[in-house]
Amino acid sequence: GQQVMQIPQYQHVQEGEDFTTYCNSSTTLSNIQWYKQRPGGHPVFLIQLVKSGEVKKQKRLTFQFGEAKKNSSLHITATQTTDVGTYFCAGITSGTYKYIFGTGTRLKVLA
Amino acid sequence: DVKVTQSSRYLVKRTGEKVFLECVQDMDHENMFWYRQDPGLGLRLIYFSYDVKMKEKGDIPEGYSVSREKKERFSLILESASTNQTSMYLCASSLWGGNTEAFFGQGTRLTVV
Repeated sequence: GQQVMQIPQYQHVQEGEDFTTYCNSSTTLSNIQWYKQRPGGHPVFLIQLVKSGEVKKQKRLTFQFGEAKKNSSLHITATQTTDVGTYFCAGITSGTYKYIFGTGTRLKVLA
Repeated sequence: DVKVTQSSRYLVKRTGEKVFLECVQDMDHENMFWYRQDPGLGLRLIYFSYDVKMKEKGDIPEGYSVSREKKERFSLILESASTNQTSMYLCASSLWGGNTEAFFGQGTRLTVV
């Protein structure tokens, strides 16, 4: 079945350092979404990417969808302690209703 | 705001018991999902439903069943709970199709002893 992998699984950074998580799908995606789960919380939607090569920014967060629509990345510039949590990508294949989540990247930010 | 409510935050059940996890959403969403979350494995899809009485298997349906008799309610059933079903269970809903955001409940941490 369709698989979505994320790397790294864990990342510890000093506050102010940059952070990137990568998402790779075994199949071509229709669109990809990103979610953030704070410790003890539930996943919360951040953004959706639809077009090949699309880049979107939300303040210090930059999201990119690969040209082949099989991979994506989330980059955080100058991390803050509020960025702590687990970041998930979710791939959606055309013609389905299934959101296949990646394995997640857990980010810790050291003050 | 969309609200997805799961019936219990924490649950402890015995091996072999039949367990019901309930999920209710209040925004008339077409799609509803059940995931389990385990460390290092991310969110794995158990079952989903795109309409009342409609259901489809996800990636790990074994040992589970679901029921969707009303649009707002999606139940996950563990027919005979086993210790390997100890996990965090998350319910989610989305408006329609696969290009709208999913809203999650607060999760149910189930322990099977």
